[in-house]
Amino acid sequence: AQKITQTQPGMFVQEKEAVTLDCTYDTSDPSYGLFWYKQPSSGEMIFLIYQGSYDQQNATEGRYSLNFQKARKSANLVISASQLGDSAMYFCAMRDSNDMRFGAGTRLTVKP
Amino acid sequence: EAQVTQNPRYLITVTGKKLTVTCSQNMNHEYMSWYRQDPGLGLRQIYYSMNVEVTDKGDVPEGYKVSRKEKRNFPLILESPSPNQTSLYFCASSPIGASTEAFFGQGTRLTVV
Repeated sequence: AQKITQTQPGMFVQEKEAVTLDCTYDTSDPSYGLFWYKQPSSGEMIFLIYQGSYDQQNATEGRYSLNFQKARKSANLVISASQLGDSAMYFCAMRDSNDMRFGAGTRLTVKP
Repeated sequence: EAQVTQNPRYLITVTGKKLTVTCSQNMNHEYMSWYRQDPGLGLRQIYYSMNVEVTDKGDVPEGYKVSRKEKRNFPLILESPSPNQTSLYFCASSPIGASTEAFFGQGTRLTVV
């Protein structure tokens, strides 16, 4: 069965600095996808970034990048140049051929 | 506009009174899923469906039922709600495949008293 672990319940970062949110996963399926979602205080789920298990390069989307270390089964989200609007819950998710499961989330607070 | 629509957005009900939370998507997605979100526990999967008439249990299916009679609809049924089902519920849909992101509804905040 899939398992996704986010070990940081809460993180603080100074505005304009970079921050890394940790995510580890476990699956026996060789083909899978890793996703990060942002949930602001308004509650909606916003897709941020995707990394495929066979992708050779780390995914990037603007200020977001995914540090994918396949051997360690980790998929950490890096947010560069943090902004006040980045304050939110962040969820890591994994998808295999069947369904998508999520971690417990990390609450990020950006300090001015 | 491509979207996943959940109704209602907010619901307060009493223990034991059957309720249904509807979920509809207009993107012709095969995959649909229900999650509940609780503080410190993240999103836990209740049930999912890979296509019409195909449903499977997730991690926390007890106390819930689902049906998938049409591709676009995936209602969540609480036959006899209890206070421990007070939670934020999300419906999601996507095409099938490991590389496809899930699209979420706006969420339903349910309180059972």
